[in-house]
Amino acid sequence: GQSLEQPSEVTAVEGAIVQINCTYQTSGFYGLSWYQQHDGGAPTFLSYNALDGLEETGRFSSFLSRSDSYGYLLLQELQMKDSASYFCAVEAGNNRKLIWGLGTSLAVNP
Amino acid sequence: DVKVTQSSRYLVKRTGEKVFLECVQDMDHENMFWYRQDPGLGLRLIYFSYDVKMKEKGDIPEGYSVSREKKERFSLILESASTNQTSMYLCASSRAGRENEQFFGPGTRLTVL
Repeated sequence: GQSLEQPSEVTAVEGAIVQINCTYQTSGFYGLSWYQQHDGGAPTFLSYNALDGLEETGRFSSFLSRSDSYGYLLLQELQMKDSASYFCAVEAGNNRKLIWGLGTSLAVNP
Repeated sequence: DVKVTQSSRYLVKRTGEKVFLECVQDMDHENMFWYRQDPGLGLRLIYFSYDVKMKEKGDIPEGYSVSREKKERFSLILESASTNQTSMYLCASSRAGRENEQFFGPGTRLTVL
């Protein structure tokens, strides 16, 4: 079957760095996406990794290791507004559907 | 500013009613998707469409149908609403070949009584 695992909750303080891990089991893997969703809001796209390595976009970076079926989202210089749920999603299969993790709720405290 | 809009933010319906949820995108995207989101279950794909008049079942299509008569519009239909279809419904769209980068509407919170 196909599955993704990510921690359900993470807590950090303002200014800190936090890493949210995602491990997956899928067939026909194309890449790994990350989305952010604030309470009451819609998911918004953050990043996509198709190849191994680190992709950096401002304070956020995303990493992929295809051989380990593993990726992570790294959030630096945390701000209160980063408190949200973060979803990893794998693009896989013949029709390239997104398979979603259950989300990690990040709480950033003062 | 690119947009995906959904017809209602909140909807209350009775068991057995036929329910239409409309989604419109103004980005000329080929792909459109319907998800439902429930606490502890994440986002689950109901149906998707990669072209006008084309539709494919997602992971949980039972009790739902869809219609895509125009490129910009993707409708989700609950033929006979049931209480277990109470949920947040999210519509999304993406460019062809960019299924990894989806743009979401604000969602419709549907309550079936």
